[in-house]
Amino acid sequence: DGGITQSPKYLFRKEGQNVTLSCEQNLNHDAMYWYRQDPGQGLRLIYYSQIVNDFQKGDIAEGYSVSREKKESFPLTVTSAQKNPTAFYLCASSSLNRFTNYGYTFGSGTRLTVV
Amino acid sequence: QQQVKQSPQSLIVQKGGISIINCAYENTAFDYFPWYQQFPGKGPALLIAIRPDVSEKKEGRFTISFNKSAKQFSLHIMDSQPGDSATYFCAASKAAGNKLTFGGGTRVLVKP
Repeated sequence: DGGITQSPKYLFRKEGQNVTLSCEQNLNHDAMYWYRQDPGQGLRLIYYSQIVNDFQKGDIAEGYSVSREKKESFPLTVTSAQKNPTAFYLCASSSLNRFTNYGYTFGSGTRLTVV
Repeated sequence: QQQVKQSPQSLIVQKGGISIINCAYENTAFDYFPWYQQFPGKGPALLIAIRPDVSEKKEGRFTISFNKSAKQFSLHIMDSQPGDSATYFCAASKAAGNKLTFGGGTRVLVKP
């Protein structure tokens, strides 16, 4: 089955640590995205990538970094510079073809907690 | 700047009733308007989407109404069921594949 896999489902980070969230898709989508969701709030864009080896900052990129070395993979690193990282992180992908696009496909999310 | 404003934040409806969620956008370059449904602890799933060349789109019990001149669109859930209890997000983008800007979400509770 095609889809997006995010891992781990739950992640605990100590103060001052960097952690990396995995996102893999087998949908052959060109574009991939990372969103952050806080309780009772909407989705805010962290980073996105429309092509391998290229990515752009979203609305809340500070304290985060990404890479796009393969079309299928778009890992997100939450660095120690992110002061309030506790949140639900969602990865998504989409086709860039207007005529075959069916919107975003989301992963099932990673819940990150600072301990 | 919030480019997509969604209301209400929460909604309680009786089983069999109609749930209505409204969204307003500012950017006239937006031309793709999807709605997503999210259950607790899960990622959002695409529910229905519309482009501005039509004023209404219906899929089962879900209908999008679109008013281009007012820059508003809404989701109607007919014959609401307890299984529809979820958070609903509207969104908009400049093209179907481009990055989406999301509304703040509406938590819908359908009482049996």
